[in-house]
Amino acid sequence: QVQLQESGPGLVKPSETLSLTCTVSGGSISSYYWSWIRQPAGKGLEWIGRIYTSGSTNYNPSLKSRVTMSVDTSKNQFSLKLSSVTAADTAVYYCARVDYGATAFDYWGQGTLVTVSS
Amino acid sequence: EIVLTQSPGTLSLSPGERATLSCRASQSVSSSYLAWYQQKPGQAPRLLIYGASSRATGIPDRFSGSGSGTDFTLTISRLEPEDFAVYYCQQYGSSPRWTFGQGTKVEIK
Repeated sequence: QVQLQESGPGLVKPSETLSLTCTVSGGSISSYYWSWIRQPAGKGLEWIGRIYTSGSTNYNPSLKSRVTMSVDTSKNQFSLKLSSVTAADTAVYYCARVDYGATAFDYWGQGTLVTVSS
Repeated sequence: EIVLTQSPGTLSLSPGERATLSCRASQSVSSSYLAWYQQKPGQAPRLLIYGASSRATGIPDRFSGSGSGTDFTLTISRLEPEDFAVYYCQQYGSSPRWTFGQGTKVEIK
């Protein structure tokens, strides 16, 4: 059973960089696309970006200028960096695996709340 | 960008009743690229349906999806107590890019 676990600071100051890591267990990270998705409290879901195990990335155009994703296959991990954060970036951040023809998210982490505040 | 609009916002039903949830796209969506998720409070979303009508692994057959073009439907044939939750539709588009609907809450009447 594939499991994903997000980790990283729960509090980030405005203008700083949010950094999260997703650790994949119970299966290999190889040969799949992996994504980050976020959800502000009481609101809907927003796709942030995806990365393949080769390191190839695609980002949401609305966040593209601030997002960097990377992968470490030796550790079965992938990561998210979001720069110049504001209060609007406060949300639960999920990592997820992309499958079913690379079109849907079949495994999700439990999510981690990141609050942007001074 | 394709916008997905879900209706109704809230559906109040009793256990055993049938639930019909709608997802309308602002432009035509390939059926292969339409999915549905269930989310309960404090939990991550769970994939129910992919390719508009195929159930994901382990999903009970009371959940079914249908539709094409711009109109898609998720049907829960007989609501079980554990089905009361928020449901999201999602489309995969070119670029690539994923977008979600705003959600429909199915609550106990």
